[in-house]
Amino acid sequence: NAGVTQTPKFQVLKTGQSMTLQCAQDMNHEYMSWYRQDPGMGLRLIHYSVGAGITDQGEVPNGYNVSRSTTEDFPLRLLSAAPSQTSVYFCASSYPGGDNEQFFGPGTRLTVL
Amino acid sequence: AQSVTQLGSHVSVSEGALVLLRCNYSSSVPPYLFWYVQYPNQGLQLLLKYTTGATLVKGINGFEAEFKKSETSFHLTKPSAHMSDAAEYFCAVTLLMDSNYQLIWGAGTKLIIKP
Repeated sequence: NAGVTQTPKFQVLKTGQSMTLQCAQDMNHEYMSWYRQDPGMGLRLIHYSVGAGITDQGEVPNGYNVSRSTTEDFPLRLLSAAPSQTSVYFCASSYPGGDNEQFFGPGTRLTVL
Repeated sequence: AQSVTQLGSHVSVSEGALVLLRCNYSSSVPPYLFWYVQYPNQGLQLLLKYTTGATLVKGINGFEAEFKKSETSFHLTKPSAHMSDAAEYFCAVTLLMDSNYQLIWGAGTKLIIKP
């Protein structure tokens, strides 16, 4: 099993550009989520999905879109990049239920100039 | 609002010394509790979790944590620190709110091991 994979590992964007961060998992997990990690702020939830075709907003959704057309894939789209979106982005997946472990991808380090 | 507090953004211990990382949460209902570890330039991985049963939970790499309901705490300990334990540690709590599970993260504690 590859687990949770994310591409790209690194990305530099100019303000106003758009891009998609890819996330895929091969564990047949229903629940997937996107976090951003900033120094001293821990993990903040951007969007999540409880299954194919179902997405919802997390704590910091502004400026990001998601879709979930398959169980395996959960891409995150930045519509018009801003310097405030410079961060490390993590995708995670798990089985449903609050007692289940989340499996994390290796992260994407994004810099917006 | 529910919260998770990790005392100390940085904790420094000598190699071989006791490691104690503190985590307190604010909730009146029994939660599920987790500790995750993040090594440099990597994603997070589960160290240990408490769901039900025995309140002292053992995890990977010699770490353990004890759920103390009266103190709303879930502190992480390891008897003897190793250089390879240098990483950032995150406490997380799952609460059932309005029929949905909500995962709340602490801000993280960076563990520094002195030789």
